[in-house]
Amino acid sequence: QSVLTQPPSASGTPGHRVTISCSGSSSNIGRNTVNWYQHLPGTAPKLLIYSNDQRPSGVPDRFSGSKSGTSASLAISGLQSEDEADYYCAAWDDSLNGHAVFGGGTQLTVL
Amino acid sequence: QVRLLASGPGLVKPSETLSLTCTVSGASIYDYYWTWIRQPPGKGLEWIGYISFSGSTNYNPSLKSRVSMSVDTSKNQFSLRLSSVTAADTALYFCAKEHRDGYYDVAFDVWGEGTMVTVSS
Repeated sequence: QSVLTQPPSASGTPGHRVTISCSGSSSNIGRNTVNWYQHLPGTAPKLLIYSNDQRPSGVPDRFSGSKSGTSASLAISGLQSEDEADYYCAAWDDSLNGHAVFGGGTQLTVL
Repeated sequence: QVRLLASGPGLVKPSETLSLTCTVSGASIYDYYWTWIRQPPGKGLEWIGYISFSGSTNYNPSLKSRVSMSVDTSKNQFSLRLSSVTAADTALYFCAKEHRDGYYDVAFDVWGEGTMVTVSS
């Protein structure tokens, strides 16, 4: 059971928009910034969004992040087949002397 | 270009200690926080902990009693030790660099390729 809750799966058709949610609590998302990772099996995860809504250089602006209260979302617009991957949210949690937590991951399928 | 390369035994016996080292190139180990993350087969990512160049650490509460991390500034390396391993510790282990120097935001912008460690007799 992950501290951050994500839907296990999501899907969308090419060109459309899909949103992935990440639900936390006052000790993590409610107080700290959220980051998102894209993970293709067999490769290293890639930082997609940091500080809730910032994109590292090289990440297309099709990817956007937002946060409200104790929840966060990752939106992917103009869906492409190469976006099919696992997506994880992550944040710092201030409980138990502080530690980092990941969401359980969302497997995105491009139909 | 910053690169991380994890190395260590791919097979560890139950009850023994798993040891991995991550070698950093293209960045100074003095400037950032360094993290270990793992992914058991078929499961999600799990944060193991971090270490700074000064040796300050923070570990996952569920692993705290078995984990230790160290840093070797002369070699630009940091290491992970996980004691009393069981089959549940079988995973792909990643080392990663924090995005901003001097801060820990759980934003890892550079990852090693990952090294598979299997716990089996």
